[in-house]
Amino acid sequence: SAVISQKPSRDICQRGTSLTIQCQVDSQVTMMFWYRQQPGQSLTLIATANQGSEATYESGFVIDKFPISRPNLTFSTLTVSNMSPEDSSIYLCSVRQGGLETQYFGPGTRLLVL
Amino acid sequence: AQTVTQSQPEMSVQEAETVTLSCTYDTSESDYYLFWYKQPPSRQMILVIRQEAYKQQNATENRFSVNFQKAAKSFSLKISDSQLGDAAMYFCAYRGYGNKLVFGAGTILRVKS
Repeated sequence: SAVISQKPSRDICQRGTSLTIQCQVDSQVTMMFWYRQQPGQSLTLIATANQGSEATYESGFVIDKFPISRPNLTFSTLTVSNMSPEDSSIYLCSVRQGGLETQYFGPGTRLLVL
Repeated sequence: AQTVTQSQPEMSVQEAETVTLSCTYDTSESDYYLFWYKQPPSRQMILVIRQEAYKQQNATENRFSVNFQKAAKSFSLKISDSQLGDAAMYFCAYRGYGNKLVFGAGTILRVKS
């Protein structure tokens, strides 16, 4: 299975600022995904990031708030812009790999916005 | 749109006993994948087991097995010989023809020693 790392692992930020989360995979993958997990909740897909094309956002998520970069097949970033306390969540990077296209997850970035 | 329902917010099991976590889903698609993920307090999402809908045989991974009932759209997870390390949040997930992995609300599993 893919080994996925995320930076930072956690951060405390002030409202109105922005944070960029990095996701690095140890092998080339076509499809990368960004999820949000609000406190006590399940995972919600923010967007799908394919290399060489614009990210596809789910309903309720917009590029201005969550810009995504996907410069190559092993790396992606998610920026949480103009943060508010409601953005306090765990943000997880995920990739699809393997013959059954199983989805694997990074360790997550725990964000607290004050 | 596809939905995944986990009707048990919390379950408890005695160490070494067996527990079954329930999951139902709603879809009009005929071919899809189903997954169970485990999320311990570390928050790392760990794949426990997966099932392809076209396979009638239930998937098994060591102490973990599923009861896949396609007609009933049911996908339960059985954990045998429960261990303290099994304590976690368990998520059932569905993926059909689209790229989106749809998660249930999760079930907290507590293991008593």
